Amino acid sequence: TQLLEQSPQFLSIQEGENLTVYCNSSSVFSSLQWYRQEPGEGPVLLVTVVTGGEVKKLKRLTFQFGDARKDSSLHITAAQPGDTGLYLCAGSHSGGYQKVTFGIGTKLQVIP
Amino acid sequence: GAGVSQSPRYKVTKRGQDVALRCDPISGHVSLYWYRQALGQGPEFLTYFNYEAQQDKSGLPNDRFSAERPEGSISTLTIQRTEQRDSAMYRCASSLVGSSTDTQYFGPGTRLTVL
Repeated sequence: TQLLEQSPQFLSIQEGENLTVYCNSSSVFSSLQWYRQEPGEGPVLLVTVVTGGEVKKLKRLTFQFGDARKDSSLHITAAQPGDTGLYLCAGSHSGGYQKVTFGIGTKLQVIP
Repeated sequence: GAGVSQSPRYKVTKRGQDVALRCDPISGHVSLYWYRQALGQGPEFLTYFNYEAQQDKSGLPNDRFSAERPEGSISTLTIQRTEQRDSAMYRCASSLVGSSTDTQYFGPGTRLTVL
């Protein structure tokens, strides 16, 4: 059972377009992370958000944690072919260690 | 410095055989995680170690799966009497202390194929 739902699951856009990926859950998380995974590689952490309503920016990527800490979004401005990959959100509950639940992922393709 | 390494990178085995997958975490990392990842999907938690102690094995699918980390460093995930449904990418990750905001560093994975 996937506790974290991501949408859309697939996204193909032209270079230069903007996009938003959503991560939703019925559970409250103590922190939420976004990863990017390229083919043949393991996921690589992009950002961790911990405070409800928090917004973090990483160059052209903007991450937001929902006020209730149940959802998050990733917005990419002026997408580039190098942004192509699988974007995963992952939530952690408090409790001593980082047992992370991953979403199913959003597969993004940016066409030059 | 060296990242997380896993071996073998690819393993093909026949149904019914046992396999052992190895994970070498980043030196000094206390926490070690095993995941299973289906193609195009997010990793699925299997088990977690803090030093040598296996603190959570709730994600192991059944008793054919086991893991150990005897000296708090290298870990081995063992699958006994493999079945075709065990075919997947098995990933290991390590983190410095394992807190909820810590960064997990993933290895390249072992692609297991059970014929």
